Parts: sequence; C-alpha cells; structure tokens
Amino acid sequence: GAVVSQHPSWVICKSGTSVKIECRSLDFQATTMFWYRQFPKQSLMLMATSNEGSKATYEQGVEKDKFLINHASLTLSTLTVTSAHPEDSSFYICSARVETGNTIYFGEGSWLTVV
Amino acid sequence: QKEVEQDPGPLSVPEGAIVSLNCTYSNSAFQYFMWYRQYSRKGPELLMYTYSSGNKEDGRFTAQVDKSSKYISLFIRDSQPSDSATYLCAVLSYGKLTFGQGTILTVHP
Repeated sequence: GAVVSQHPSWVICKSGTSVKIECRSLDFQATTMFWYRQFPKQSLMLMATSNEGSKATYEQGVEKDKFLINHASLTLSTLTVTSAHPEDSSFYICSARVETGNTIYFGEGSWLTVV
Repeated sequence: QKEVEQDPGPLSVPEGAIVSLNCTYSNSAFQYFMWYRQYSRKGPELLMYTYSSGNKEDGRFTAQVDKSSKYISLFIRDSQPSDSATYLCAVLSYGKLTFGQGTILTVHP
C-alpha cells in the first residue's frame, strides 16, 4: 500500500518549548491530511483536517494556537505543538487521503513526551 | 448514539481459528467502509476498503458490508499469532474517518 512517513518517531522535549512533527506522503499526492491524537487503550481522536494551501480545520475543543498545522505542499503537512506541557504527552498520528480517491493511509505515529 | 459502534473485546482465539469482527453504524448514507489493523505503539495499517454493500476478499481477510442492517464485518481465516492487534472499523463521513472503538484480538499458539 501507499506509504506515509512521519518524523520523528519519538521525541522528548522540555516543558515550554515547541516541537514539530512532519507527515509526508511518499508515493502519492495528498490534498487532505489529518492529525490525530491517541491515548492509551483508546481509539484515535481527530484533531484537525488540513488541506493543501489553506488553513486547517480544527475539531471542537482543540486549541488551534497550541497545535499549529501547516500543509505547504501536496506531500507534506506539519504539526507544531507550541509551549508544550506534560499533558500534551501523547501519541500523535497523521494520515493522508489519496488525491484521486477515498483511500486514507496512516503514518507510523510520533510519541511525544514533555518533561 | 455513536456513529460507529464496535465491541472492544478483548477477543482471544487459538491459532487457526476463524475470527469475526463486527461493527454497526448509524447513518444509512455512509458509502465507504474501512478496516485498519493497529499493532501496539504503531500507526493504523489499512487492511480493507469497501464501497457500498457486498463482500471483498484479500488473502485470509474478507470484508463484508450489509447496508440493510448497517453492519460491517471483517473475517480472518486461519488466524495467526501475528494477527494479534487492535482492529478498527471506520466509515468515511463528510471527508473524514469516524472510527469504532477498536477490538483487541489475541491469537495464541
């Protein structure tokens, strides 16, 4: 299947700093990418939907100023967690929708630990 | 009522068993249905993608959609210990995926 690459796989940062996570579709173009957060033993929680060249659409309850999403090209979206706090520690996963259809592929996820 | 309901299990079966995983959904307008497999500490992997009703087979996996009862199923034949994972059903709704809670499956040797 199609490949979505997410980087870094895991990151540790200090409280108050910002961290950026990249999501790339390697072998297809993705006009739409999604960012999720997953807590242990729970299903995926959609944070926001990003469309190439436009502002992201955030789900209710997600702080757009804290979780900055940029979708600068058809193959790259980034999530920046600003002024991170320990409660932001989580598993963040991106997905990308194939431009020509409805298939959606996921990245491997990024583990964020804020200390 | 949740848009997609899935029994979280856990489900434990012996190697070689046939596994049946099921979900129900609420909106009869849904047309696209997916099954994802998620191993511990990894992102979900797309297993099956079905449009509208009917069956779709891929190796040991069969996905089934019954739109009349709003029921979707995933069957795994000759289950293997490597199939042990969380299985997530999902529907594509307004351009976004809505997931079930996920079923934890363990296949023991």
